Amino acid sequence: DTAVSQTPKYLVTQMGNDKSIKCEQNLGHDTMYWYKQDSKKFLKIMFSYNNKELIINETVPNRFSPKSPDKAHLNLHINSLELGDSAVYFCASSQEGRYYEQYFGPGTRLTVT
Amino acid sequence: DQQVKQNSPSLSVQEGRISILNCDYTNSMFDYFLWYKKYPAEGPTFLISISSIKDKNEDGRFTVFLNKSAKHLSLHIVPSQPGDSAVYFCAARVYNTDKLIFGTGTRLQVFP
Repeated sequence: DTAVSQTPKYLVTQMGNDKSIKCEQNLGHDTMYWYKQDSKKFLKIMFSYNNKELIINETVPNRFSPKSPDKAHLNLHINSLELGDSAVYFCASSQEGRYYEQYFGPGTRLTVT
Repeated sequence: DQQVKQNSPSLSVQEGRISILNCDYTNSMFDYFLWYKKYPAEGPTFLISISSIKDKNEDGRFTVFLNKSAKHLSLHIVPSQPGDSAVYFCAARVYNTDKLIFGTGTRLQVFP
């Protein structure tokens, strides 16, 4: 009964490829997020969606595109992968009124070679 | 431009003693401050929060203190247990949004 799940857990791919990371939450939350943790351990928000609507879009290259088919899912598509995209990507969710209390998935470690 | 800073990358404490983790921030437009705990190969887990209008919040062994004039918060864990060994992230919420700004974390090790 995992609350926030991500697939895959590890992803190794070559530069120039297109890849997707999937995220699902079964908490009934309205808001979902994608974070990136880089090699220096900075955990930085990339996107947030509320009820399938984009709320936050930080300065992220256009190669990154979130897609939310329903409020329980928020997938991350990355086109033309670059070496600098190597990081751990975390999905998270929160309920309305308690946006500071976010529930994170286990992370997806992306390695671009 | 790091708005939330955790200047100590690691801390080692004996079991039963107090652990004090520190965090500084530079932006006054934060309305909540939080601590998250992270074990290896897992996502961060929410631990405790404090509103910017308060100066202390306590939950069991965990207490968070906020000093607004110094733009400083701290997490006290008493008594520390080996299971508390993890990376602790300080975070701040941008006023009235769902955007969190995280620090770089402090690795706490509690030894017997």
